[in-house]
Amino acid sequence: DIVMTQSPDSLAVSLGERATINCKSSQSVLFTSNNKNYLAWYQQKPGQPPKLLIYWASTRESGVPDRFSGSGSGTDFTLTISSLQAEDVAVYYCQQYYHTPYVTFGPGTKVDIK
Amino acid sequence: QLQLQESGPGLVKPSETLSLTCTVSGGSISNSGYFWGWIRQPPGRGLEWIGSIYYSGITYYNSSFKSRVTLSVDTSKNQFSLQLSSVTAADTAVYYCARQWEQYQLPRHLDYWGQGTLVTASS
Repeated sequence: DIVMTQSPDSLAVSLGERATINCKSSQSVLFTSNNKNYLAWYQQKPGQPPKLLIYWASTRESGVPDRFSGSGSGTDFTLTISSLQAEDVAVYYCQQYYHTPYVTFGPGTKVDIK
Repeated sequence: QLQLQESGPGLVKPSETLSLTCTVSGGSISNSGYFWGWIRQPPGRGLEWIGSIYYSGITYYNSSFKSRVTLSVDTSKNQFSLQLSSVTAADTAVYYCARQWEQYQLPRHLDYWGQGTLVTASS
């Protein structure tokens, strides 16, 4: 089974500073036939459902602020919040959807304000 | 705007069957290009995919649930449902329904989610 890991478990960043979250898959999620990485990022605020931020590793969902960006390929991926805002406090999850139908999520990274 | 809403009992006795329904509004569940999935989140923990269903009835399940889980779809009501049998305290969680993109006839990422419903397995 594919295993998703995330680092760090939590981080605290000052307002306006950069936050970086890493996600690693135990197997590649790059489909070479279409050169797409089957990796998504979600944001979950307390008491709310997850919200899709990024898919295909780097495509921002409609309406998501451009301070959120995704990068990486193969097994290593990064979610970057370029300038942290108060409303970005949340838990962030990565998810692979290459080795389907078993879509699997990472354990989550909690982002707080320093 | 597509909306999903979970409904069902919030309390289920151990060994009994958990039954939830997701009602989709603002769009048709029969539209091609999407699966409809169930995901759960135990209190204070991460997300776990349970299974996904296509409007035609194609289903995929997380093997962790072995034969306990059954998904069904009712296109006339624009609803899909989850049944999880022989529940234990470990099945206590917030259960979410969500829309999943389909590609190559497989479920992919999830773009619309319901608000979730807490189901507690307790006597």
